[in-house]
Amino acid sequence: SQTIHQWPATLVQPVGSPLSLECTVEGTSNPNLYWYRQAAGRGLQLLFYSVGIGQISSEVPQNLSASRPQDRQFILSSKKLLLSDSGFYLCAWRARRGPGDTQYFGPGTRLTVL
Amino acid sequence: TQLLKQSPQFLSIQEGENLTVYCNSSSVFSSLQWYRQEPGEGPVLLVTVVTGGEVKKLKRLTFQFGDARKDSSLHITAAQPGDTGLYLCAGVTPDSWGKLQFGAGTQVVVTP
Repeated sequence: SQTIHQWPATLVQPVGSPLSLECTVEGTSNPNLYWYRQAAGRGLQLLFYSVGIGQISSEVPQNLSASRPQDRQFILSSKKLLLSDSGFYLCAWRARRGPGDTQYFGPGTRLTVL
Repeated sequence: TQLLKQSPQFLSIQEGENLTVYCNSSSVFSSLQWYRQEPGEGPVLLVTVVTGGEVKKLKRLTFQFGDARKDSSLHITAAQPGDTGLYLCAGVTPDSWGKLQFGAGTQVVVTP
């Protein structure tokens, strides 16, 4: 069966510090991968998606970047965090088979920038 | 601009009552998904609907996809405290690389 991992689960960082959040998927090959950010109690905003190694598409201009160094690894980064980067970050994967396929989410990372 | 509009934003009911959450859009979706999310956790898939007019049932939950594939509803019968959570609808538009467009969510609270 497929599983998706995210770490760390919780992170508190000062403004101006770097960021690296990691997401890995097990049990599937060549998935589409996604990074979302969620404001408290609200819907999800798509930040980045990837259809393959080294292929990253950005949905919104921001202080963050993403990379996919391996097929099942997706990393969210920042060189200098802003207060507005605080939020709940979710990684998701999708099997690349058709419109009915579902996205499966990781447990998320709660980021607080102080 | 949010493609999917959920209503209501918040719903508080007593155990045993019924509730319906709506998800509406002017766009056509290839598929639409409903998730439930607990605080501090990732969303968990409840159902995926792909055919216009489709109705799916999951125990006390009934999901309907509109005939034109632009809207959906989630109906819970005899709600229980365990149904409490944030309900999110999300749709995939054609030729979007499977990208999900999320609604803002409906917070449901079921009190004993």
